[in-house]
This record gives sequence, structure tokens and C-alpha cells, in this order.
Amino acid sequence: KAGVTQTPRYLIKTRGQQVTLSCSPISGHRSVSWYQQTPGQGLQFLFEYFSETQRNKGNFPGRFSGRQFSNSRSEMNVSTLELGDSALYLCASSLLSGISYNEQFFGPGTRLTVL
Amino acid sequence: AQSVTQLGSHVSVSEGALVLLRCNYSSSVPPYLFWYVQYPNQGLQLLLKYTTGATLVKGINGFEAEFKKSETSFHLTKPSAHMSDAAEYFCAVSGGAGGTSYGKLTFGQGTILTVHP
Repeated sequence: KAGVTQTPRYLIKTRGQQVTLSCSPISGHRSVSWYQQTPGQGLQFLFEYFSETQRNKGNFPGRFSGRQFSNSRSEMNVSTLELGDSALYLCASSLLSGISYNEQFFGPGTRLTVL
Repeated sequence: AQSVTQLGSHVSVSEGALVLLRCNYSSSVPPYLFWYVQYPNQGLQLLLKYTTGATLVKGINGFEAEFKKSETSFHLTKPSAHMSDAAEYFCAVSGGAGGTSYGKLTFGQGTILTVHP
């Protein structure tokens, strides 16, 4: 079974631009969570989607948004990029959500560099 | 709110020595606890987890951890370090029984493990 895939793996943008990152969960998984990893702040939760609905949201500004499609694939968008948005963005998928624990499987991440 | 503290951002051991990575948590509900490992330029891989039941949990690659509620700790150990264990390790907590945030993991700051020959 294929793992979580994230595209693109590397991305370079300039300040003020916007970016869209994509995540394809493991087949059959319906929950997708996004995390930002930076040297200074570590791993921080962005949001979680389940059945096309946002279930949880982290403490990030409104420039960070996401969505989930009917096939469970998810995208996250960052508008008006800032230098501090440079990070590794990790996506994780799990089978279900909300009612009990389901192991999260992580993708390799998208490395975003903002110049 | 939940939080995780990992004591020691860098730990160095000799090959064959005991590995001990410390993790303390804070949670208002019985937590689910995890240890993940991250190799350079890769995502996170689950080493082990505690949800309910036995407090001593065994994971992959010879790692184990013990949930101690009275100490709010979940330290990771391995009896004998191997060169391939060199990586960054993250302790994490999510909403446990009665909670609603199963999909949200709160991570510690990470501990880089170096293994010397």
C-alpha cells in the first residue's frame, strides 16, 4: 500500500506570493492533518480535515488555509508569504477521526523556502 | 491545553550504551502518548504509542517507553544503542479518552541523538 505522498517536495517562493501544497493520504484514510516544522518553533499543528470538514485548527493566522476533497486528498494554501513561513510542511493521514485514536502516518514533507 | 517537554535537545551516547530520552507531558485528560523518529530529509515514523492498558510499551527497533502517570512522564529507552539510531526523536501527546483532539498531535521540541562508535 502506498504511503502518504506530498507534492511538491521542494518549493521556492518570494515574499508576498502565495503557495499551494498537496497531500494524498493512504488509500482508505479519511483524515488528514497538517503540521509546520521550523528550527525555532518545532512541530506545530496547523489543521485537521475529515470528510471534507475542518475538525481542528491550530494557532496560525488566517493566511494559512486548507481544504479536503471528496477523495480525501488535501491541499493547504499560504497567502502573502513571509520569510518566517519557510519551513517543512508535513501532512499526516489516519483512517478515521474524532471517536478514538487512529495512528497518523506522515508523508515526507514539502520544504518551502521563502526569499 | 496539552504540552510536552523533552529534557535535553541533544543526547550523545556510545554505540552499545543505554539510550534514555526524557519526556514529560501536561494534559487535562488522560493522554495518548507517542514517540516519533525523524531521519534527515524525511517525515516522521512512529516508534511506539501508549493509549490504554499496559504502561510499558514496546516499539520498533528495540525501543520501549513507560507511561508513569504519577510523574507525568513517558521516557524512551533502548538498552543498546546502534549507529543507525542516530536521528531526531519527538515525544507527542494527543487527546485521550474523553478528549476530542485525536487528530491533533502536540509535539515536544525534539532530541537529537548522536551515537559514537
